[in-house]
This record gives sequence, C-alpha cells and structure tokens, in this order.
Amino acid sequence: GENVEQHPSTLSVQEGDSAVIKCTYSDSASNYFPWYKQELGKRPQLIIDIRSNVGEKKDQRIAVTLNKTAKHFSLHITETQPEDSAVYFCAASTGGDSGYSTLTFGKGTMLLVSP
Amino acid sequence: EAGVAQSPRYKIIEKRQSVAFWCNPISGHATLYWYQQILGQGPKLLIQFQNNGVVDDSQLPKDRFSAERLKGVDSTLKIQPAKLEDSAVYLCASSLKLGWGTEDIYEQYFGPGTRLTVT
Repeated sequence: GENVEQHPSTLSVQEGDSAVIKCTYSDSASNYFPWYKQELGKRPQLIIDIRSNVGEKKDQRIAVTLNKTAKHFSLHITETQPEDSAVYFCAASTGGDSGYSTLTFGKGTMLLVSP
Repeated sequence: EAGVAQSPRYKIIEKRQSVAFWCNPISGHATLYWYQQILGQGPKLLIQFQNNGVVDDSQLPKDRFSAERLKGVDSTLKIQPAKLEDSAVYLCASSLKLGWGTEDIYEQYFGPGTRLTVT
C-alpha cells in the first residue's frame, strides 16, 4: 500500500518567516495530494490540494509544489503568523481494487510561529 | 451548510467493554470514512463506505471493530471488546465521492471526532 513520509516533525519559525514542510510518497499511481491543518483539539481542515496533472498551486500565503518524478510534494507558507501555529498533515490518494481512491496521511508537522 | 456531526464527543470506558460511535455526514455526501487518530499521528483510515456499501476495510481490526451505514446516510462504528491501544480520536469524514480519475476527486470534510479513553 501507499506510504507517506513527512518531515520535519516539528518546525519553529519567527513571525514573518517562511515555513516549508516536505512529504514523500511511495505509490507512483497516486494522483491527489491534499494538505490539512489541525489546531489543538479541533478537526482537520483542508487548506490546499494539488492534483497530479499540476506542478504548483498557490492560494494567498500558501503554496504547494509536486514533483511526480521524485515522488515528493511540499507545502510553503510565507509571511507566517501566530495563527498559523498548528499541526499540518500531508496526504496522498491512491486507488484501491474497488476503483475508489483512499487517503494515506503523513504523521504530521507541528508548526510553531513565535511573535 | 451543516458539517459532519459526531457523537459522543468524549467517552471513557474500561478495557473489555464495548462502545459505539455515531456519525451523520453532510447531506448528499455519498462517501463516508472512519479514521482512527492516535495522539501524535496522522489519521488512519479504518473503513470507507460508498452509499451503504463498503469499498475499503483493509485496515479495520475485524475481530473487534465493526461498522455499518444503513440506508446510506448515518453510520455507526463499534468496538467490542475494547483494548487499551484503542485509545484515540475517532474521526468521521464525508465527501461527495472519491473516485479514481484525477478530476473525479472531492474534498473530505471531517467531523469533530470522538475522543476515546480506554482504562
């Protein structure tokens, strides 16, 4: 099955700096890569996603890049703010025998933004 | 639109007892997922339904876990008997559908989760 590795596990930055979180996946057939933000005690919420037919996607301060050849994708947050502090999860979607795809999540990155 | 609802929000049981969780997905969402999230880890898929049919339960410990989605709407997840290692947050999520084609993918919306503590 799919295996998603995520690093770093913890990332501390100063407000205004950029933050980069990287993930690798094992199944070359994976075609959908979402990123979720989970604040303490809250539900995961989708912040951005990218499909395998796109190399980069940007939404205001966040961007995601995908390198299918190397099987890795990254989340970039610019001009970080204290409210960006949370755990971020990457995921990869791969198909099953049923024809429906399922998400495999990384272990998460705790981002701490200091004022 | 209303989000994914789950109950209870918290549950404390002793090992070997049984427990059940309930999920009501977003109206119109055909696909429903149950995930287990152990502290410090990412969500792990337990079971995935498309309408009232199971499409993936490969990671569901079937000797103690069971799930059903009668009528293709609400779903329940049951653990019987519970073990200490079942302590986790159980998240329910739903999506319009999750197909295989690159353009046939829809966002998963998560519920607030049920935090289970097994003592």
